[in-house]
Amino acid sequence: SQQGEEDPQALSIQEGENATMNCSYKTSINNLQWYRQNSGRGLVHLILIRSNEREKHSGRLRVTLDTSKKSSSLLITASRAADTASYFCATDEGGSYIPTFGRGTSLIVHP
Amino acid sequence: GAVVSQHPSWVICKSGTSVKIECRSLDFQATTMFWYRQFPKQSLMLMATSNEGSKATYEQGVEKDKFLINHASLTLSTLTVTSAHPEDSSFYICSASLGGPDYEQYFGPGTRLTVT
Repeated sequence: SQQGEEDPQALSIQEGENATMNCSYKTSINNLQWYRQNSGRGLVHLILIRSNEREKHSGRLRVTLDTSKKSSSLLITASRAADTASYFCATDEGGSYIPTFGRGTSLIVHP
Repeated sequence: GAVVSQHPSWVICKSGTSVKIECRSLDFQATTMFWYRQFPKQSLMLMATSNEGSKATYEQGVEKDKFLINHASLTLSTLTVTSAHPEDSSFYICSASLGGPDYEQYFGPGTRLTVT
């Protein structure tokens, strides 16, 4: 079953702008992860945020988690053309350590 | 991060033949490996979870006799698509993990299977 749902499905921005992607989920989680996938390639792990954390940073990435709203957001600041990829959130449905992926957000950053 | 490789990167085969895809964790011993398939512009759908030395656990709707998974060692898991058909054409991705809740999954680069 699909747990995380990303929004928007697709996003097109200019280089230098910020990109925000959202993920909503339905059941309680232990942690939520964000991944990036370049076209036709494997997944790259970006950030893991635990249920007791509210915000994490990694370079130009900022992830927030609101467990009361069952949602998370991924912010990419000062985007670059190389950030063009699909971004997925993955959650572990309560009790399972196996992440379930959403449909992803396709981000296009125009140079 | 840890490195997971897949072989082959892509394969084209005729309908009715079987195809084996390998997934290797190169610099750590993976207690658990996962196999996913991904259709174009779709999410990753978990097919099965395999633990070293035991039978794989398949997700509902995944035919275990069609998608044979072997996890013979802590660094190697194989997925064999038996009697492949065009509808099996997809992107197959494996991941490896030390297992448990405080895990991180390391994904392979994927294998593109095209069945003609």
